[in-house]
This record gives sequence, structure tokens and C-alpha cells, in this order.
Amino acid sequence: QKEVEQNSGPLSVPEGAIASLNCTYSDRGSQSFFWYRQYSGKSPELIMFIYSNGDKEDGRFTAQLNKASQYVSLLIRDSQPSDSATYLCAVNILRGGSEKLVFGKGTKLTVNP
Amino acid sequence: GAVVSQHPSRVICKSGTSVKIECRSLDFQATTMFWYRQFPKQSLMLMATSNEGSKATYEQGVEKDKFLINHASLTLSTLTVTSAHPEDSSFYICSKPGTGRADTQYFGPGTRLTVL
Repeated sequence: QKEVEQNSGPLSVPEGAIASLNCTYSDRGSQSFFWYRQYSGKSPELIMFIYSNGDKEDGRFTAQLNKASQYVSLLIRDSQPSDSATYLCAVNILRGGSEKLVFGKGTKLTVNP
Repeated sequence: GAVVSQHPSRVICKSGTSVKIECRSLDFQATTMFWYRQFPKQSLMLMATSNEGSKATYEQGVEKDKFLINHASLTLSTLTVTSAHPEDSSFYICSKPGTGRADTQYFGPGTRLTVL
């Protein structure tokens, strides 16, 4: 099992819809979870982080964490064409005696006008 | 605004040459910085952790003699790709920990390396 898994997509949603992005992770000891947005040719930009079970809302973005299921998701409400990007899930995983940020392959989201 | 800068943003070099990439922390001093590599349609892979005043810590499978890291000051880390080959062509990105919680990371704009 990969350490961090995401559906690579592409995921297409119409403008104004809710986009739902999912991520699972393998290390039950992980405590920190992040969502990054990466536009084509650019570096990742941190958009959300979550540490506790439940939901965390920030504007149109909601991160959801379920540690029992080892599952973290990102909801984007009222999706806009400018949200079209690849979304990377990242998890802090203990590796080699220290914590490392491990990324999934990303889900490519396209928001159609 | 940006908290990490990288230079150059893009570099093309001939096979066998060495390329140096600079990563600067623009706001606060960074005793630790990270270097990642991203191949097309792949995820970011951590290459090494750069530690100010001491040796870098390399991830398994990353050749430390090929990817030289120097963290000589609290605001600057450099990655030198020595004797570059076409298979080293990739997007190299550095990051630094956040000031609030060290487990968050903020990325520089990246350097696109193309080795001919």
C-alpha cells in the first residue's frame, strides 16, 4: 500500500458545483495532514491543514479528517474555473526516525465554465 | 507574499555540467530547508533535508555526491546537481517550515532543469 494515495482523476465539475477530493494514508501514527494546490508548471501552494478529526472550514474550502478510517478529504464549494489545478494531499509520516512530509500523486481538477 | 525564493527559475545545460540552484528564506531565518524533485505527472519526492551549519540528510536512494547541498547561512540553501545527465531533468523545489507549526511547509517557486 502506498503511503499516501489519491485518485489521479481527472475530476471535472461544472462551475458553481462542489468538488470533492479524497486521500487515504497508511501510517496510523500520522498527526498532520495538508492540502496543497499546484497549478501547471508552478510549485505547490498550501491551502489547508488539519490535525483533528472532523471538519475544518476556510472560506470555500473544507477539509475533513477521519483518523479511524485513515481518510482525509477536501471539499471546494462554489467551484470556480480558477480552482482548476492539481490538488496534492500531504501527510506527515515517521520515516527513518524523523517525520517527513509525504505527498500523494495529486488529483487533477477541472472546473468547467 | 512569497516567503521562499529560488534562482534560477529555469536552466538548460549540457550533459556533464554542474548546475547550482539557490533557495532563500525571505522572511525568517530557516535552520532547516527541504529539497524536493518532481518528475512530470508525478508527485513531489523529498530528496534531502538541509541543515544550517551541518551536513544535509539525504533520503534513501538519493546520491549525496551527485546532489550537493550547502546550507551556509540561515537564509540560504543551495543544491548543486553535479555532472548532470538527461535523467536529472526535473522540477526542483525547495521549502521551509512554517513559523507557527514546523510541520507545515512553504514552497519556493521551483527550478525547471533541462539537461540536453
